[in-house]
Amino acid sequence: DSGVTQTPKHLITATGQRVTLRCSPRSGDLSVYWYQQSLDQGLQFLIHYYNGEERAKGNILERFSAQQFPDLHSELNLSSLELGDSALYFCASSVEPSGTDTQYFGPGTRLTVL
Amino acid sequence: DQQVKQNSPSLSVQEGRISILNCDYTNSMFDYFLWYKKYPAEGPTFLISISSIKDKNEDGRFTVFLNKSAKHLSLHIVPSQPGDSAVYFCAASEGIRRKLQFGAGTQVVVTP
Repeated sequence: DSGVTQTPKHLITATGQRVTLRCSPRSGDLSVYWYQQSLDQGLQFLIHYYNGEERAKGNILERFSAQQFPDLHSELNLSSLELGDSALYFCASSVEPSGTDTQYFGPGTRLTVL
Repeated sequence: DQQVKQNSPSLSVQEGRISILNCDYTNSMFDYFLWYKKYPAEGPTFLISISSIKDKNEDGRFTVFLNKSAKHLSLHIVPSQPGDSAVYFCAASEGIRRKLQFGAGTQVVVTP
């Protein structure tokens, strides 16, 4: 158990809908990262938040957004969902985004868009 | 643009023998490298890391080797155990930009 929690575990929805994925980092970790793992691709970095502020963006679509709240939990919002958004979404956390800081991953949310 | 590549999608090895997983990268600015292990239905689990100032790091049965001139790293597992059967991801990051670039993964199967 990495100490990072993600809810829900599974999510099934229809095209055009909007969903919110939630992540709680390990106690004491200030950084939260979101990754997407599609069927035919490896883990793709989406976005990084540190202590409530956006730090870096990766291959995140404009239909997707995220935020980190004062209690450090984070939410990833996916809107106007398409079939191709079906994937595993992982959240990771670390103490701070510098040096040789290790990221610890949650169990993931499996999103299925029908 | 895939900056981290794991060219072997799968590896089968006998229990007790050595598993060698390979990873190549193209970005010479990467200075921190990690290996993660992933079981089905779980998130990736950190295994071992190496900074670019080193060429070897060892932790129990796991050793990571880094060859900066060749932009290549490898993970050695000795001896391999059935519980090592999993997907192994190589990842790299650049300086304070902490986003990890992952390889596509190598499925390792350890047979009795």
